[in-house]
Amino acid sequence: EVQLVESGGGLVQPGGSLRLSCAASGFTFSSYWMSWVRQAPGKGLEWVANIKQDGSEKNYVGSVKGRFTISRDNAKSSLYLQMNSLRVEDTAVYYCARDRGGSPGGEGFWGQGTLVTVSS
Amino acid sequence: DIQMTQSPSSLSASVGDRVTITCRASQSISNYLNWYQQKPGKAPNLLIYAASSLQSGVPSRFSGSGFGTDFTLTISSLQPEDFATYYCQQSHTTPNTFGQGTKLEIK
Repeated sequence: EVQLVESGGGLVQPGGSLRLSCAASGFTFSSYWMSWVRQAPGKGLEWVANIKQDGSEKNYVGSVKGRFTISRDNAKSSLYLQMNSLRVEDTAVYYCARDRGGSPGGEGFWGQGTLVTVSS
Repeated sequence: DIQMTQSPSSLSASVGDRVTITCRASQSISNYLNWYQQKPGKAPNLLIYAASSLQSGVPSRFSGSGFGTDFTLTISSLQPEDFATYYCQQSHTTPNTFGQGTKLEIK
């Protein structure tokens, strides 16, 4: 059974940093694109970033470029999101998601999410 | 970035109704269009990928169509568990943008 478990969320002050983790199990982690998607309280879904199977390609939404870094450790079946220079508008539930596999894609599996609150 | 526009933003319907939600892309995305269902407090669930392909385990009352810029999600006969929010997403060009969502409520 595919499982994605996020951790690392919490309360942080504006300008601070946080590192999210996503532990994957139940599939060959190194075979799939992985993504982070966020959802601000009461709002819609926003795609944040994705990373290729071997980490050689990374893509970001404009609002986080230069502040967030997506990475992965295939040996540990883990996905990460390093978030620096956090802003109030980064407050959201952050979901880790696995590509469906194949193209065209779609996020076929999701974690339960971890809440990041940026507030003074 | 490619903008995705869903309509309507909200919809009231009854059990057994046929419902259609539309999604328009600001430029052609071929068939790189996905549909998700999200219930309150839960992660989204992939329903349809590649515009019209049903994800494994999703009931056949869900269907998708479209190509290029205009897409639809149809629920042929609404069931009580279908009342949720639905999102389209393009995966043609990063950032893989979502529509704003359509909240489907019980009439």
